[in-house]
Amino acid sequence: ETGVTQTPRHLVMGMTNKKSLKCEQHLGHNAMYWYKQSAKKPLELMFVYSLEERVENNSVPSRFSPECPNSSHLFLHLHTLQPEDSALYLCASSPSVGTGGETQYFGPGTRLLVL
Amino acid sequence: LAKTTQPISMDSYEGQEVNITCSHNNIATNDYITWYQQFPSQGPRFIIQGYKTKVTNEVASLFIPADRKSSTLSLPRVSLSDTAVYYCLVGECSSNTGKLIFGQGTTLQVKP
Repeated sequence: ETGVTQTPRHLVMGMTNKKSLKCEQHLGHNAMYWYKQSAKKPLELMFVYSLEERVENNSVPSRFSPECPNSSHLFLHLHTLQPEDSALYLCASSPSVGTGGETQYFGPGTRLLVL
Repeated sequence: LAKTTQPISMDSYEGQEVNITCSHNNIATNDYITWYQQFPSQGPRFIIQGYKTKVTNEVASLFIPADRKSSTLSLPRVSLSDTAVYYCLVGECSSNTGKLIFGQGTTLQVKP
């Protein structure tokens, strides 16, 4: 248990569906992150939020829409995804967006399959 | 933006010490070096972090030479449960985005 939970753990969706991934951290952190991990590829940073404000959008397609209603919750809204979007989506949090020394705590991930 | 280079894979046997070396020639002055461990279908887990010289915790040791252009993660007496992917990261400090760049990592296979 890292203090970061993600739901659902597994998700299968069609290309026309709309779904949302949820992340919650119980660590009192101010920064939250979304990463994508495709098969046999490195983790790719998607979004960074600091105190509910987005501070990084790493050239992610608009079919991925993040939402951070408060510093404990982070959502990733999905719509009209493509099969190549199938991956493990990981949420992480850290005390703040630091200067390269902040440890990030990861959730267990949501395994997404787009048909 | 510092880039890291580490071996793609390593094999070891139970009870042995494993050393994984990472190169980061372009590390910036304020960058820390952090190692994460990832099991299949799980999120990465923090192992150890350092800035220079040597750091030790209950899990591993991290050796960093004076020029900081490389670092070595040392796992004492590995067991089968240490089979995982190990990532070496250096943080980007210029933009204050907390951006960490994950490379391919080193897949460690511990054999009985």
